[in-house]
Amino acid sequence: DAGITQSPRHKVTETGTPVTLRCHQTENHRYMYWYRQDPGHGLRLIHYSYGVKDTDKGEVSDGYSVSRSKTEDFLLTLESATSSQTSVYFCAISTLAGEDTQYFGPGTRLTVL
Amino acid sequence: AQSVTQLDSHVSVSEGTPVLLRCNYSSSYSPSLFWYVQHPNKGLQLLLKYTSAATLVKGINGFEAEFKKSETSFHLTKPSAHMSDAAEYFCVVSPYDMRFGAGTRLTVKP
Repeated sequence: DAGITQSPRHKVTETGTPVTLRCHQTENHRYMYWYRQDPGHGLRLIHYSYGVKDTDKGEVSDGYSVSRSKTEDFLLTLESATSSQTSVYFCAISTLAGEDTQYFGPGTRLTVL
Repeated sequence: AQSVTQLDSHVSVSEGTPVLLRCNYSSSYSPSLFWYVQHPNKGLQLLLKYTSAATLVKGINGFEAEFKKSETSFHLTKPSAHMSDAAEYFCVVSPYDMRFGAGTRLTVKP
């Protein structure tokens, strides 16, 4: 298995509070991604990074921000959590963009009450 | 723009019978196509991928998929289902950004 960890694995929070999810990799892959998984939607890309301090928006980026200060860490922040952000969040990594295989972390289940 | 449609949200088969999970894609570019599997409460694992080489792609655990450009399809098959194949399967189209299908839940009956 690719060396990807996510923390926390489960979190329950209240509407309006800030939340940060962490993705950590030991593979030294250049690209890192955050997805959310919701029933009937598969996985949808939130943000991705193509290098340290280089990030871009994905399909569903509203309400989320990201940061990557080191190759191995990619943080996803919900500045003010809403109930619509209740979801399972997956981090992924790849060596190349586009056609390259992405390797996924175990996921974080976030519940916003 | 690119997108994926998985034609069945749920497929149920008996153990030992063939599996067919259907996927149609749309892409303005020459696509890369993937199938991922997700077992309950687990992350996603790559089953196989197509990147413009052979149109028949073999993956792990006996799965294979055939790229048919004329039909814009990339269906996943397995000759004989096993109980451990019960999971959710996602078809994905690339390049430039990966677009996931909504998923097909495979149930395997004993």
